[in-house]
Amino acid sequence: DQQVKQNSPSLSVQEGRISILNCDYTNSMFDYFLWYKKYPAEGPTFLISISSIKDKNEDGRFTVFLNKSAKHLSLHIVPSQPGDSAVYFCAASVYGGSQGNLIFGKGTKLSVKP
Amino acid sequence: DTEVTQTPKHLVMGMTNKKSLKCEQHMGHRAMYWYKQKAKKPPELMFVYSYEKLSINESVPSRFSPECPNSSLLNLHLHALQPEDSALYLCASSQTPEGYGYTFGSGTRLTVV
Repeated sequence: DQQVKQNSPSLSVQEGRISILNCDYTNSMFDYFLWYKKYPAEGPTFLISISSIKDKNEDGRFTVFLNKSAKHLSLHIVPSQPGDSAVYFCAASVYGGSQGNLIFGKGTKLSVKP
Repeated sequence: DTEVTQTPKHLVMGMTNKKSLKCEQHMGHRAMYWYKQKAKKPPELMFVYSYEKLSINESVPSRFSPECPNSSLLNLHLHALQPEDSALYLCASSQTPEGYGYTFGSGTRLTVV
């Protein structure tokens, strides 16, 4: 059973608009969440993370929101740029990310159209 | 089999030792990755193998030497490491280089003394 779910395999948005990528999880023990961006033939690149003690973390154009009661997090990209086109992975772990065992979602492919 | 298996789980080595970390997957994944993770930090990418060929080397010191003998196996050879190289070393694989089905192993906890 998938513990981290990204139910939208793909998303297409217009340049300059907001991209919202969603992620749901089932394990209430998860206390550290991360978003990664991946281009073909490259490893995932860390984007932004959030600890379960927070509900929002912002870094430039990227903001992650965490709703613990709904076991849901989302990544907002504003404004979206064509260079943001990539596969985005949500990941979660227990013990604050220091024990490995990152659980990844299957990814959402974002396409930003000029 | 839906796992990435890493051995050993724990390793203590001296600075003059030579050791190897092993990673194995039987999911037919064609991309494999090595990461290094320090406590409370996200994993940092070290190497990417795509269809058994090294496609990414993130400026990793030569005391770390990766090897991909076949599509199921990935090794990381260690030689003359420093105490600051102590970390959790994670292997991952994905179905394709695009990243679908990304799966991490549970890691090798390395201590250099």
